[in-house]
Amino acid sequence: GAVVSQHPSRVICKSGTSVKIECRSLDFQATTMFWYRQFPKQSLMLMATSNEGSKATYEQGVEKDKFLINHASLTLSTLTVTSAHPEDSSFYICSASSRTLRNEQFFGPGTRLTVL
Amino acid sequence: AQSVTQLGSHVSVSEGALVLLRCNYSSSVPPYLFWYVQYPNQGLQLLLKYTSAATLVKGINGFEAEFKKSETSFHLTKPSAHMSDAAEYFCAVYGNKLVFGAGTILRVKS
Repeated sequence: GAVVSQHPSRVICKSGTSVKIECRSLDFQATTMFWYRQFPKQSLMLMATSNEGSKATYEQGVEKDKFLINHASLTLSTLTVTSAHPEDSSFYICSASSRTLRNEQFFGPGTRLTVL
Repeated sequence: AQSVTQLGSHVSVSEGALVLLRCNYSSSVPPYLFWYVQYPNQGLQLLLKYTSAATLVKGINGFEAEFKKSETSFHLTKPSAHMSDAAEYFCAVYGNKLVFGAGTILRVKS
């Protein structure tokens, strides 16, 4: 149980385009979803936290207009990287939690974004 | 505020040897502590967690960790390394959000 999926697993796009990444909780309802970013050989950094039906809370230094997060349902959150640039290339990982699962975070497999 | 320091970005052990990955934390509130494992190009898998119950926590794949408040440590151990343990390991602390250490890459030599 408590499986989180992400789609796509990897994406390559041209500079200036927008990319959408989906995060789904497959077998539980996620009251909260989290988006992390991991640069090569570095740790995960929390980008934002979103609760279903409300606006995401962004960490300091994360541009909310560049990284659009939508948490439209209890099983789906999306991260849209707008006007992507090469410096946005990274590994994006989502996680989901639920009060019924003691708020433990369950992580998705990640999405590798490469911006050319 | 919370922070995590993982001592040693790379650890190399022989197959069958003891694995010891070090983690020290700082937290202004009683912490919840976690160890995760990450294989290349994959997400994180929870190995074990400390949530203020027993100080010695047993996890999956034969790993365990001991919470020592006096030393603010939560080191991860496994008595006998297996080749499949080669991966990157992250220690994390939860106060009001999950904060990760820089990670330790474990190499297992045959």
